[in-house]
Amino acid sequence: AQTIHQWPVAEIKAVGSPLSLGCTIKGKSSPNLYWYWQATGGTLQQLFYSITVGQVESVVQLNLSASRPKDDQFILSTEKLLLSHSGFYLCAWSPGGYAEQFFGPGTRLTVL
Amino acid sequence: GDSVTQTEGPVTVSESESLIINCTYSATSIAYPNLFWYVRYPGEGLQLLLKVITAGQKGSSRGFEATYNKETTSFHLQKASVQESDSAVYYCALGDLVGDNSKLIWGLGTSLVVNP
Repeated sequence: AQTIHQWPVAEIKAVGSPLSLGCTIKGKSSPNLYWYWQATGGTLQQLFYSITVGQVESVVQLNLSASRPKDDQFILSTEKLLLSHSGFYLCAWSPGGYAEQFFGPGTRLTVL
Repeated sequence: GDSVTQTEGPVTVSESESLIINCTYSATSIAYPNLFWYVRYPGEGLQLLLKVITAGQKGSSRGFEATYNKETTSFHLQKASVQESDSAVYYCALGDLVGDNSKLIWGLGTSLVVNP
């Protein structure tokens, strides 16, 4: 069975500080990977997706970047956090050729 | 454009009552929309509850059902008798495959509170 792990579980960071969130999927080779952001009371918004190692496509510009250094790892980062980055970040995977996605537990980010 | 609209929450029902959470979609740029219901139970991650990829078909899981109605562009979630453990946030999503990439468009979510 596939498992998806996100870290950290929660972060409280200062405006202007850097951020790195991680996601690892086990039990599935060459998954499609996704980053989502959800503001409090808002809908889920896809930020990035990756079909293969080293390739990441941006969907929405939020002064964030993503990288896929390994087949099973997806990283979301920024050098300078904004207040508007607060929210819930979800990593997801899908098998190629299927529309459904499977989600990790998420990371709660609070920017003060 | 493509969008999903669902019942605004919170929805509060008593245990053993029936439930319907409405979901309508607009898929102007999607040739073959897939439809999904996801659920987030308190303290847990987002889980796929059910999916239907063919218009006219019904999906079911954990006592919940939803029928993909292309004529009314709807995918309402129903359950005949809810339980307290069904309390959660439910999300309707519209899916598409763009090449090999999955694209999901989400509703705002409906918080369901089931009173004992």
